[in-house]
Amino acid sequence: GQQLNQSPQSMFIQEGEDVSMNCTSSSIFNTWLWYKQDPGEGPVLLIALYKAGELTSNGRLTAQFGITRKDSFLNISASIPSDVGIYFCAGLPPSGGYQKVTFGTGTKLQVIP
Amino acid sequence: DVKVTQSSRYLVKRTGEKVFLECVQDMDHENMFWYRQDPGLGLRLIYFSYDVKMKEKGDIPEGYSVSREKKERFSLILESASTNQTSMYLCASSAYFGTSGSSGETQYFGPGTRLLVL
Repeated sequence: GQQLNQSPQSMFIQEGEDVSMNCTSSSIFNTWLWYKQDPGEGPVLLIALYKAGELTSNGRLTAQFGITRKDSFLNISASIPSDVGIYFCAGLPPSGGYQKVTFGTGTKLQVIP
Repeated sequence: DVKVTQSSRYLVKRTGEKVFLECVQDMDHENMFWYRQDPGLGLRLIYFSYDVKMKEKGDIPEGYSVSREKKERFSLILESASTNQTSMYLCASSAYFGTSGSSGETQYFGPGTRLLVL
């Protein structure tokens, strides 16, 4: 399947800084998911979004479902060293189940203590 | 908590060997999936199953087969392993099939199996 455009590809930030990343698509989605993957591990779901315009938080993480349904954003506030990992988004189209999910290429986050 | 487990975290196999990767989920999910993950290519769907004994090809099924004899277990089989099948293999499960957009509907991943084919 296709891939989502996710940016930035990688980022180095100082501990305590805020982080923003986003995913964009040429087609609309009904569901956006954000995952974190630690090296050598499987992806762990962070936030799920089901409605255009929805803003959802999970601790220091906040994600938004874009109003056009073609994009989504993830923000991490006050980063800490354990935030290191790869973050990627996934989107589901209006028809079909998870066999049609499209994944972003990932944002690699490095936090400098 | 949903739990998806995979039989091995690391495997080393020789070219031509038959390889079995097993995945078990404990949430009575109907749908199970096998992906491979490669640097720069992201996650690619190999096969999925929406019911016992049912299977559908994903985007890259060549060189793989699957088996789902019980609802909780989904196996990926490499009939004759090749070096280009060296990869991280991820199993996932989900509770819903069909139109997305239902609150609470999501997909859960296992820890992955890193396979090296020599």
